[in-house]
Amino acid sequence: KAGVTQTPRYLIKTRGQQVTLSCSPISGHRSVSWYQQTPGQGLQFLFEYFSETQRNKGNFPGRFSGRQFSNSRSEMNVSTLELGDSALYLCASSSDDRRTTDTQYFGPGTRLTVL
Amino acid sequence: AQSVSQHNHHVILSEAASLELGCNYSYGGTVNLFWYVQYPGQHLQLLLKYFSGDPLVKGIKGFEAEFIKSKFSFNLRIPSVQCSDTAEYFCAVNPPYGNNRLAFGKGNQVVVIP
Repeated sequence: KAGVTQTPRYLIKTRGQQVTLSCSPISGHRSVSWYQQTPGQGLQFLFEYFSETQRNKGNFPGRFSGRQFSNSRSEMNVSTLELGDSALYLCASSSDDRRTTDTQYFGPGTRLTVL
Repeated sequence: AQSVSQHNHHVILSEAASLELGCNYSYGGTVNLFWYVQYPGQHLQLLLKYFSGDPLVKGIKGFEAEFIKSKFSFNLRIPSVQCSDTAEYFCAVNPPYGNNRLAFGKGNQVVVIP
C-alpha cells in the first residue's frame, strides 16, 4: 500500500496570507490527524478527523482549521499567517473505525516557512 | 499538566554501545504507547508499540521497549547501536480518551559515531 502523502512538500508564504495543506491517507484508513512540529515546541496535536467530522481538537487558535472529504483525504488551512506558524506540518492516518486507539502512520510533512 | 517526558535530548555514543532512552508519562488509566523514529531526511516511522499483553515489546535489530505501569514508563533499549541508528527518537502516548490524539515527548537526538 502507498503511504500517507502530503502536498505540497514545501511552502513559503508571507505574514497575513493563508495556506492550505493537503493529506491523502493510506488506502482504507478513515482517521486523519494533523500535527505541528517545531524545534521549540516539538510535536503538537492539531486536530483529528474521522468520517468527515472533526473528532478531536488540540490547543491551537481558530486560525487553524481543517476538513475531511468523503474519500478520507484531508486538508488543513491556516489563515492570517504569523511568523510563529513556520513549522513542519505532519499528517497521520489510521484505520480506526471503533473510536479506539490505533496505530498512526505519518506522512513526510509539509514544511511551511512564513516570512 | 499531563505530559510525556524524555530526558537526555542529545546523545552521542560509539558503535556497538548499548543505549536506553527513557520515557515517562503522567496520564492515568489505560494508555497506548509508541516509539517513533525519524531518520535524517525521512519521515516519522513507527518503531515499537504497546497496547496490551506482554509489557516487553520487541522489534527489528534487537530494539525493545518495556512498559512498567507502576513507573509510568516505556523505555526503549538498543543493545548494540550502529551508525545507521543515528536518528531522532520520539516517545508518544495515546491518552485514555479513546481517540487518536498522540502526545509526544520532546525527542532524543541520537548520534552514533564509528
